[in-house]
Amino acid sequence: KAGVTQTPRYLIKTRGQQVTLSCSPISGHRSVSWYQQTPGQGLQFLFEYFSETQRNKGNFPGRFSGRQFSNSRSEMNVSTLELGDSALYLCASSLALGSEAFFGQGTRLTVV
Amino acid sequence: GENVEQHPSTLSVQEGDSAVIKCTYSDSASNYFPWYKQELGKRPQLIIDIRSNVGEKKDQRIAVTLNKTAKHFSLHITETQPEDSAVYFCAASDSGGSNYKLTFGKGTLLTVNP
Repeated sequence: KAGVTQTPRYLIKTRGQQVTLSCSPISGHRSVSWYQQTPGQGLQFLFEYFSETQRNKGNFPGRFSGRQFSNSRSEMNVSTLELGDSALYLCASSLALGSEAFFGQGTRLTVV
Repeated sequence: GENVEQHPSTLSVQEGDSAVIKCTYSDSASNYFPWYKQELGKRPQLIIDIRSNVGEKKDQRIAVTLNKTAKHFSLHITETQPEDSAVYFCAASDSGGSNYKLTFGKGTLLTVNP
């Protein structure tokens, strides 16, 4: 069974640009959640999707958005990038909301 | 919302010693407590979890204990080995309830010295 796949693995963007990250969950998993990981703040919850609906949202500005498709694949978008958005973005998939979560390798975003 | 505090932030032990990492949570409705291990440059991986209907769970050299009254849970690693060196994260959620998102502690960097 393939694990959680995130693309791309690395991204370099300039301030003001926007970026889209992709996450393919484990086959059969319907819940996808996104986290931002930085050295000082640990893993911070961005949002969670289940059956194409956002079920929960963390305390991030509206520049961070996401969506989930009918095949459970999810994308997150960050608009008007700021230097502080540089981080490792991790997605995790679960069979159901709040159940055991399996993480992808992450996308390392660097904003210059 | 849920708040998870994790201590210590760094822990250094000698190979063969035990290591204990402690977490406290704020939401009494939380009922699912996983622990993740993240090696340098790799993804977090679930190593053990516990649900609120049990007080302790063991898997070989690792164990987790839960005290619902005090709202804290701990990870115990016995006979530590250099390959146990990693960042460990605890988390809590109200699985099946209204606050089911995983809230993580800030992590503990464990170093096992040979």
